[in-house]
Amino acid sequence: DAGVTQSPTHLIKTRGQHVTLRCSPISGHKSVSWYQQVLGQGPQFIFQYYEKEERGRGNFPDRFSARQFPNYSSELNVNALLLGDSALYLCASSLDWAGQGNEKLFFGSGTQLSVL
Amino acid sequence: LAKTTQPISMDSYEGQEVNITCSHNNIATNDYITWYQQFPSQGPRFIIQGYKTKVTNEVASLFIPADRKSSTLSLPRVSLSDTAVYYCLGARLGYSTLTFGKGTMLLVSP
Repeated sequence: DAGVTQSPTHLIKTRGQHVTLRCSPISGHKSVSWYQQVLGQGPQFIFQYYEKEERGRGNFPDRFSARQFPNYSSELNVNALLLGDSALYLCASSLDWAGQGNEKLFFGSGTQLSVL
Repeated sequence: LAKTTQPISMDSYEGQEVNITCSHNNIATNDYITWYQQFPSQGPRFIIQGYKTKVTNEVASLFIPADRKSSTLSLPRVSLSDTAVYYCLGARLGYSTLTFGKGTMLLVSP
Protein backbone atom coordinates (compact mmCIF):
# COMPACT_ATOMS: atom_id res chain seq x y z
CA ASP A 1 0.00 0.00 0.00
CA ALA A 2 1.16 3.52 -0.73
CA GLY A 3 2.19 5.65 2.19
CA VAL A 4 1.46 9.32 2.66
CA THR A 5 2.33 11.17 -0.52
CA GLN A 6 3.13 14.86 -0.73
CA SER A 7 3.64 17.13 -3.69
CA PRO A 8 5.71 18.83 -4.77
CA THR A 9 8.85 17.51 -3.09
CA HIS A 10 10.69 20.79 -3.52
CA LEU A 11 9.52 24.31 -4.19
CA ILE A 12 11.19 27.67 -4.56
CA LYS A 13 9.16 30.84 -4.14
CA THR A 14 9.86 34.51 -3.60
CA ARG A 15 8.64 36.70 -0.78
CA GLY A 16 5.03 37.76 -1.07
CA GLN A 17 4.00 34.85 -3.24
CA HIS A 18 1.41 32.23 -2.45
CA VAL A 19 2.02 28.48 -2.23
CA THR A 20 -0.19 25.40 -2.18
CA LEU A 21 1.09 22.10 -0.85
CA ARG A 22 -0.76 18.85 -1.36
CA CYS A 23 -1.08 15.66 0.61
CA SER A 24 -2.71 12.31 -0.02
CA PRO A 25 -3.21 10.20 3.10
CA ILE A 26 -2.89 6.46 3.38
CA SER A 27 -5.94 4.75 1.96
CA GLY A 28 -8.59 4.45 4.65
CA HIS A 29 -7.15 7.18 6.85
CA LYS A 30 -9.58 9.96 7.62
CA SER A 31 -7.33 12.40 9.44
CA VAL A 32 -4.61 14.63 8.05
CA SER A 33 -2.26 16.86 10.02
CA TRP A 34 0.25 19.43 8.83
CA TYR A 35 3.57 20.22 10.50
CA GLN A 36 6.33 22.73 9.77
CA GLN A 37 9.90 21.74 10.44
CA VAL A 38 12.62 24.35 10.40
CA LEU A 39 16.18 23.11 10.06
CA GLY A 40 17.51 21.85 13.38
CA GLN A 41 14.13 21.87 15.12
CA GLY A 42 11.41 19.34 15.67
CA PRO A 43 8.18 19.52 13.65
CA GLN A 44 5.68 22.15 14.80
CA PHE A 45 1.96 21.50 14.55
CA ILE A 46 0.01 23.67 12.11
CA PHE A 47 -3.39 22.05 11.50
CA GLN A 48 -5.32 18.86 11.88
CA TYR A 49 -8.36 17.88 9.84
CA TYR A 50 -10.65 14.99 10.49
CA GLU A 51 -13.60 14.10 8.28
CA LYS A 52 -13.12 17.39 6.42
CA GLU A 53 -13.42 19.50 9.56
CA GLU A 54 -10.67 21.41 11.30
CA ARG A 55 -9.98 19.73 14.62
CA GLY A 56 -6.87 21.56 15.73
CA ARG A 57 -4.82 24.62 14.91
CA GLY A 58 -1.33 25.48 16.04
CA ASN A 59 0.18 28.86 16.74
CA PHE A 60 0.55 30.02 13.14
CA PRO A 61 -0.64 33.28 11.53
CA ASP A 62 -3.77 33.52 9.42
CA ARG A 63 -1.59 33.44 6.31
CA PHE A 64 -1.66 29.69 6.81
CA SER A 65 -4.83 27.87 5.87
CA ALA A 66 -5.78 24.35 4.94
CA ARG A 67 -8.66 22.19 3.87
CA GLN A 68 -9.54 18.56 3.46
CA PHE A 69 -11.42 17.18 0.52
CA PRO A 70 -14.11 14.47 0.36
CA ASN A 71 -11.45 11.92 -0.66
CA TYR A 72 -9.52 12.90 2.53
CA SER A 73 -6.64 14.50 0.64
CA SER A 74 -5.59 17.89 1.89
CA GLU A 75 -4.06 21.17 0.85
CA LEU A 76 -2.00 23.60 2.89
CA ASN A 77 -1.99 27.16 1.63
CA VAL A 78 0.40 29.88 2.68
CA ASN A 79 -0.14 33.47 1.55
CA ALA A 80 2.27 36.40 1.50
CA LEU A 81 5.31 34.21 1.95
CA LEU A 82 8.08 35.38 4.25
CA LEU A 83 11.69 34.27 4.35
CA GLY A 84 10.94 32.60 7.67
CA ASP A 85 8.42 30.30 6.02
CA SER A 86 11.31 28.37 4.49
CA ALA A 87 11.00 24.90 6.00
CA LEU A 88 10.10 21.29 5.44
CA TYR A 89 6.32 20.94 5.48
CA LEU A 90 5.17 17.56 6.63
CA CYS A 91 1.82 15.92 6.23
CA ALA A 92 0.74 13.08 8.50
CA SER A 93 -2.27 10.85 8.26
CA SER A 94 -3.95 8.72 10.85
CA LEU A 95 -6.78 6.25 10.80
CA ASP A 96 -8.85 8.20 13.24
CA TRP A 97 -8.83 11.55 14.99
CA ALA A 98 -5.32 12.20 16.32
CA GLY A 99 -6.84 13.35 19.58
CA GLN A 100 -7.33 9.77 20.68
CA GLY A 101 -4.04 10.12 22.53
CA ASN A 102 -2.66 6.85 21.28
CA GLU A 103 -3.33 7.40 17.62
CA LYS A 104 -0.32 6.60 15.46
CA LEU A 105 0.65 9.21 12.86
CA PHE A 106 2.17 8.26 9.52
CA PHE A 107 4.25 11.04 7.99
CA GLY A 108 5.07 11.75 4.39
CA SER A 109 8.54 12.80 3.26
CA GLY A 110 7.52 16.42 3.13
CA THR A 111 7.74 19.38 0.81
CA GLN A 112 10.90 21.44 1.12
CA LEU A 113 9.90 25.07 0.64
CA SER A 114 12.53 27.71 0.05
CA VAL A 115 11.48 31.36 0.09
CA LEU A 116 13.95 33.75 -1.51
CA LEU B 1 0.80 18.77 26.94
CA ALA B 2 3.69 17.04 28.66
CA LYS B 3 6.92 18.98 28.25
CA THR B 4 9.70 16.51 27.51
CA THR B 5 13.44 16.79 28.01
CA GLN B 6 15.92 14.49 26.35
CA PRO B 7 19.67 14.59 25.59
CA ILE B 8 20.62 16.59 22.53
CA SER B 9 22.93 13.89 21.21
CA MET B 10 24.29 10.42 21.92
CA ASP B 11 27.05 8.35 20.38
CA SER B 12 27.19 4.58 20.11
CA TYR B 13 28.87 1.77 18.21
CA GLU B 14 27.37 -0.92 16.07
CA GLY B 15 26.07 -3.89 18.04
CA GLN B 16 25.62 -1.98 21.29
CA GLU B 17 22.37 -1.43 23.13
CA VAL B 18 21.32 2.21 23.28
CA ASN B 19 19.08 3.67 25.95
CA ILE B 20 17.67 7.16 25.46
CA THR B 21 15.98 8.62 28.50
CA CYS B 22 13.31 11.27 28.37
CA SER B 23 11.97 13.18 31.34
CA HIS B 24 8.38 14.44 31.43
CA ASN B 25 7.76 15.71 34.95
CA ASN B 26 4.39 17.30 34.19
CA ILE B 27 2.89 14.31 32.46
CA ALA B 28 -0.87 14.12 32.84
CA THR B 29 -2.98 11.09 33.63
CA ASN B 30 -4.24 10.86 30.06
CA ASP B 31 -0.89 11.35 28.31
CA TYR B 32 0.65 8.57 26.27
CA ILE B 33 4.41 8.57 25.71
CA THR B 34 5.34 8.15 22.09
CA TRP B 35 8.68 7.89 20.33
CA TYR B 36 9.37 8.78 16.72
CA GLN B 37 12.49 8.35 14.58
CA GLN B 38 13.48 10.76 11.84
CA PHE B 39 16.08 10.44 9.11
CA PRO B 40 17.30 13.50 7.15
CA SER B 41 14.84 14.76 4.55
CA GLN B 42 12.16 12.33 5.69
CA GLY B 43 9.14 12.59 7.93
CA PRO B 44 9.20 11.11 11.44
CA ARG B 45 8.40 7.44 11.75
CA PHE B 46 6.50 5.96 14.70
CA ILE B 47 8.64 3.64 16.79
CA ILE B 48 6.77 2.77 19.94
CA GLN B 49 4.20 4.05 22.38
CA GLY B 50 3.28 3.26 25.95
CA TYR B 51 1.33 4.38 28.96
CA LYS B 52 3.10 2.59 31.80
CA THR B 53 5.43 -0.34 32.55
CA LYS B 54 7.13 -1.94 29.59
CA VAL B 55 6.21 -2.18 25.94
CA THR B 56 8.23 -4.12 23.37
CA ASN B 57 7.91 -4.42 19.64
CA GLU B 58 10.11 -5.68 16.84
CA VAL B 59 12.41 -2.66 16.87
CA ALA B 60 12.51 -1.26 20.40
CA SER B 61 11.43 -1.42 24.01
CA LEU B 62 9.93 1.35 26.07
CA PHE B 63 10.24 1.44 29.83
CA ILE B 64 7.99 3.74 31.84
CA PRO B 65 8.34 3.63 35.65
CA ALA B 66 5.36 3.75 37.97
CA ASP B 67 5.52 7.52 38.51
CA ARG B 68 5.59 8.05 34.72
CA LYS B 69 7.85 11.07 35.07
CA SER B 70 10.40 9.60 32.70
CA SER B 71 10.68 6.97 30.03
CA THR B 72 13.54 5.11 28.38
CA LEU B 73 13.68 4.02 24.77
CA SER B 74 15.90 0.97 24.37
CA LEU B 75 17.32 0.04 20.98
CA PRO B 76 18.97 -3.39 21.03
CA ARG B 77 22.12 -3.97 18.99
CA VAL B 78 22.09 -0.77 16.95
CA SER B 79 23.42 -0.61 13.42
CA LEU B 80 24.66 2.28 11.29
CA SER B 81 21.16 2.66 9.87
CA ASP B 82 19.85 3.58 13.33
CA THR B 83 21.66 6.91 13.06
CA ALA B 84 18.78 9.35 13.26
CA VAL B 85 16.98 11.86 15.46
CA TYR B 86 14.72 10.32 18.09
CA TYR B 87 11.82 12.29 19.50
CA CYS B 88 10.05 11.63 22.78
CA LEU B 89 6.67 13.26 23.03
CA GLY B 90 3.44 13.16 24.91
CA ALA B 91 0.16 12.55 23.15
CA ARG B 92 -2.92 13.50 25.13
CA LEU B 93 -6.42 12.20 24.82
CA GLY B 94 -8.57 14.98 23.40
CA TYR B 95 -5.72 16.92 21.82
CA SER B 96 -4.76 16.49 18.20
CA THR B 97 -1.41 18.22 18.66
CA LEU B 98 1.86 16.37 18.90
CA THR B 99 4.52 18.58 20.45
CA PHE B 100 7.98 17.73 19.19
CA GLY B 101 11.09 19.00 20.93
CA LYS B 102 14.52 19.03 19.34
CA GLY B 103 14.96 15.31 19.84
CA THR B 104 18.11 13.28 20.42
CA MET B 105 20.57 12.91 17.58
CA LEU B 106 21.92 9.36 17.80
CA LEU B 107 25.14 8.71 15.90
CA VAL B 108 26.13 5.08 15.45
CA SER B 109 29.71 4.46 14.40
CA PRO B 110 31.35 1.31 13.02
